[in-house]
Amino acid sequence: GQQVMQIPQYQHVQEGEDFTTYCNSSTTLSNIQWYKQRPGGHPVFLIQLVKSGEVKKQKRLTFQFGEAKKNSSLHITATQTTDVGTYFCAGDFGNEKLTFGTGTRLTIIP
Amino acid sequence: GAVVSQHPSWVICKSGTSVKIECRSLDFQATTMFWYRQFPKQSLMLMATSNEGSKATYEQGVEKDKFLINHASLTLSTLTVTSAHPEDSSFYICSASVQGLTGELFFGEGSRLTVL
Repeated sequence: GQQVMQIPQYQHVQEGEDFTTYCNSSTTLSNIQWYKQRPGGHPVFLIQLVKSGEVKKQKRLTFQFGEAKKNSSLHITATQTTDVGTYFCAGDFGNEKLTFGTGTRLTIIP
Repeated sequence: GAVVSQHPSWVICKSGTSVKIECRSLDFQATTMFWYRQFPKQSLMLMATSNEGSKATYEQGVEKDKFLINHASLTLSTLTVTSAHPEDSSFYICSASVQGLTGELFFGEGSRLTVL
């Protein structure tokens, strides 16, 4: 079936270090979205990528969509304690719903 | 952004009883809402797509008689867990999109169900 895998599953970083999570799809995606879920909270939309090779930035966050539209990454520069949470990618396979990735849980060591 | 509200935030019930969870779009009309289940430290698993005025579309492996979905208005979808058992204990979250079925999703706060 259509799956979206994320690596790593967990990441512990020292505050100020960079962080990257990778998202891989089994097949080509129409678009990909990224969400952040704080501990005990609900997912909140971060960004949507549509074009092959697209790169978008939001302050310290950089999102990329692969040329083949099968993978994506989220990079956070100089992490802060407010970045704690689980980051999910969600892929659109053209089947009128989003398939969420397995998520990467980020913890920050102060 | 759009606001989706979910109620109750948490509920504890006895085994064998039924529990209803409400999902409301507060400032927009949602012809489609999505219901997810999330186990601790795991991903969001889509259970069903709720369609206003018609039957919900359930994902493979989700019992439609167990998880009843009603979407009677453009701002309200309900999920009823019937004859709940301890294995139904989970975090249930709804979402809706303002722009199409695969646009940005706005999530409710989630409902944590504990079945004793």
